[in-house]
Formats: sequence, structure tokens, C-alpha cells
Amino acid sequence: DTGVSQNPRHKITKRGQNVTFRCDPISEHNRLYWYRQTLGQGPEFLTYFQNEAQLEKSRLLSDRFSAERPKGSFSTLEIQRTEQGDSAMYLCASSPKGGPYEQYFGPGTRLTVT
Amino acid sequence: QQPVQSPQAVILREGEDAVINCSSSKALYSVHWYRQKHGEAPVFLMILLKGGEQKGHDKISASFNEKKQQSSLYLTASQLSYSGTYFCGTEMDSSYKLIFGSGTRLLVRP
Repeated sequence: DTGVSQNPRHKITKRGQNVTFRCDPISEHNRLYWYRQTLGQGPEFLTYFQNEAQLEKSRLLSDRFSAERPKGSFSTLEIQRTEQGDSAMYLCASSPKGGPYEQYFGPGTRLTVT
Repeated sequence: QQPVQSPQAVILREGEDAVINCSSSKALYSVHWYRQKHGEAPVFLMILLKGGEQKGHDKISASFNEKKQQSSLYLTASQLSYSGTYFCGTEMDSSYKLIFGSGTRLLVRP
């Protein structure tokens, strides 16, 4: 058990709907990351936060994706107007202050867009 | 910029050794290794930093050749529990952003 929790674990939605995922990092971890993983591939970086500041966002992330981390604790990832291509596992990870800063992954949210 | 992992897949008998390689065309600051079992989250194994610092599990060993931008993960006396997909994640310039390879699938048979 890595300590990172994600909700929901599974989400099925219809194309065009909006979805929101939540990630609760390990307590006192100041960095939080979002990844997307499709079958047979490694995790693909989406964005990361240091405390409440979003420091980098992948250019692969369209304007339909937005992430927040209010107060530097939990984070949410929202996908607007979902498309079938958004179907994937969405992973959250956190890492501690200082270094080396290994990342601890949560169990993920599996999104299926029908 | 995605690192290249080799081999793509390997099958071992319990007790055999294996080496998984990860190479990048870009200068690296660190290399991270993770193992992922089917349907589960990736689990941290090892981090190797430019300059020689390492952190990881006692039973896992790895190397990082800074000149060649290559890292290798050494699995010795493999156990059934070693089965899974191994990913390397590479970081450039202390950016905290990891780019993962496409993975090496390892199967250990009795």
C-alpha cells in the first residue's frame, strides 16, 4: 500500500460528458503528479504540482483537461467534453520533500468513454 | 525523447538472472525504475542520479552510465514475484518530470 488514494477507481461515461477524478497524496508529500496510461504503454506525464502551484503541463494535454490542487493537499483532474480517445488509466503519484524524490503511485482511475 | 527499453519481453525460470536496459538520446539527470503488475499501480524500485547517488530496495541493483545515458536493472536469482512489467522513467535537468519507456515484460516460471 503506497498510501496514495484515487477516486473513483472506475468511471464509465458517455462521449461529451465531463468527468472529475480525485487524488489524495501521501501526507506531507509536496509534489503531486498526474499520468495517463494506455494498454501496453508506460505512464505518460500530464502535469505536476509543487504544493498548490502547477509547475508544468504537458503539451499533449488539450484545453479540455484541467487540474487543480487547492491548498496543496488533494488534487482533482477534470476532463471536459470527453472523447473516446480519453479512455485510459489515469494515475496519480506523489513524492516527498527533498530528494531523491521517488514517486509513489496510486491505484489509478480507469476511464471508459462510450 | 521517450527512452528505449530492451528487451521488450523476457521469460525466465525461477532462480535465473536478467538484465533490463534503458537508453536515452538526451542527457539525463536521473533514471527511475518501477515494476507494475497487471491491474496494479507501478511500484518504485530504484532511482539513480547523475553523480552516483542511488536509492532503492536492497534486493534490487542497477547502474547508470552517464556518458552513454544508459541504465541497467539487474535482477538476480529471480523469484516468481518478480514477474511484471518493468518501466524506466527518465528525467532531464532536475525537472521532476519523468518520461517513461514502453516497458519490459518479465515472466518468471517455476
